[in-house]
Amino acid sequence: DAKTTQPNSMESNEEEPVHLPCNHSTISGTDYIHWYRQLPSQGPEYVIHGLTSNVNNRMASLAIAEDRKSSTLILHRATLRDAAVYYCILRDVSPLYNTDKLIFGTGTRLQVFP
Amino acid sequence: EAQVTQNPRYLITVTGKKLTVTCSQNMNHEYMSWYRQDPGLGLRQIYYSMNVEVTDKGDVPEGYKVSRKEKRNFPLILESPSPNQTSLYFCASSWDRFYEQYFGPGTRLTVT
Repeated sequence: DAKTTQPNSMESNEEEPVHLPCNHSTISGTDYIHWYRQLPSQGPEYVIHGLTSNVNNRMASLAIAEDRKSSTLILHRATLRDAAVYYCILRDVSPLYNTDKLIFGTGTRLQVFP
Repeated sequence: EAQVTQNPRYLITVTGKKLTVTCSQNMNHEYMSWYRQDPGLGLRQIYYSMNVEVTDKGDVPEGYKVSRKEKRNFPLILESPSPNQTSLYFCASSWDRFYEQYFGPGTRLTVT
């Protein structure tokens, strides 16, 4: 399984943009890039995913490098509620892998200050 | 409300006493999974099920059993719990492997 590398922690002030980086230099052509986050005392929740093009949804934006070896999750205006651990995950959707396994690393702990 | 529920949320038990953690989803999802979360190790998959009556091992299946008799339920069974199974357990479900997973609130298990 391809691996991802994220910083252990990041800090932000409320209402400022946050850019959370993720390196995945061994990504394969059939790997989607997924982001989940885990708020304190809760289960992980889906944030966004993409394959090659940048993606936007109501929660965040995902910027994917042209060579796909890295990506950045962008929170446009951080709120206190965004304080969580953010996980960058590669998910293989090729027919060779008929499983729904997500491999979570240790993620990036985001602190948001008022 | 679409959700994944787990019961119990907290459980303290003793070594060797069989227990079951239930997981139920109301979204008609095909896929269901169990994970455990331990400090410094992230989430690791225990078992998963792609459909009714179809289950398979994840990364850390030793000491656990599962069953999928109905689409909505996926119980996790510890036949003889040991202290190294003290952990935070999450159940998750999804339409299939191309869609996002929805996680339950977690079950904190302590085995003494």
